[in-house]
Amino acid sequence: NAGVTQTPKFQVLKTGQSMTLQCAQDMNHNSMYWYRQDPGMGLRLIYYSASEGTTDKGEVPNGYNVSRLNKREFSLRLESAAPSQTSVYFCASTGWVGELFFGEGSRLTVL
Amino acid sequence: KQEVTQIPAALSVPEGENLVLNCSFTDSAIYNLQWFRQDPGKGLTSLLLIQSSQREQTSGRLNASLDKSSGRSTLYIAASQPGDSATYLCAVRGRPGAGSYQLTFGKGTKLSVIP
Repeated sequence: NAGVTQTPKFQVLKTGQSMTLQCAQDMNHNSMYWYRQDPGMGLRLIYYSASEGTTDKGEVPNGYNVSRLNKREFSLRLESAAPSQTSVYFCASTGWVGELFFGEGSRLTVL
Repeated sequence: KQEVTQIPAALSVPEGENLVLNCSFTDSAIYNLQWFRQDPGKGLTSLLLIQSSQREQTSGRLNASLDKSSGRSTLYIAASQPGDSATYLCAVRGRPGAGSYQLTFGKGTKLSVIP
């Protein structure tokens, strides 16, 4: 059972470079989320998608863009990476019951 | 704005002890509450989900309770084992409507079970 799959697991970028984090879920969930986790800050919501075709900003959306490609896939793009975006990024999804399932995380370092 | 607090931030107990982890929230108008476990360098694993109409949920040695009126939830771990060592987080989801898709997370309690 794959659940929520994120790629890549690790990435090192230089300031100003761009990249896309990929996320796919195989649970037929409608809602998908991107979080970042930083020491002392806890988990913070970047963007979410309540259903295919919709996306909304969360608590910390600046510097990020998202695409809900289809029901399964939700990508997060950093257009011009900054050191402040060094973090662990988690993708998650929920179905109608409202239980949240997380991926294993993507560890991003911006130099 | 919903705030979720978990106290203590860290807890160390000897193996075999029963323990309780606490989660408090400021707005009682919740849709559900979920407990997670996070191992170092890993993602969050769902442990228990309690809907707003429920008072408790059980899974194996874990029991989670919910008291909306007091804004509190507890996670009870029976007969703790070294493998239970991890960070435990709770998260609260608001009722359907504006902001309901945003969960509010506590910062977690780091549990160490000493053999």
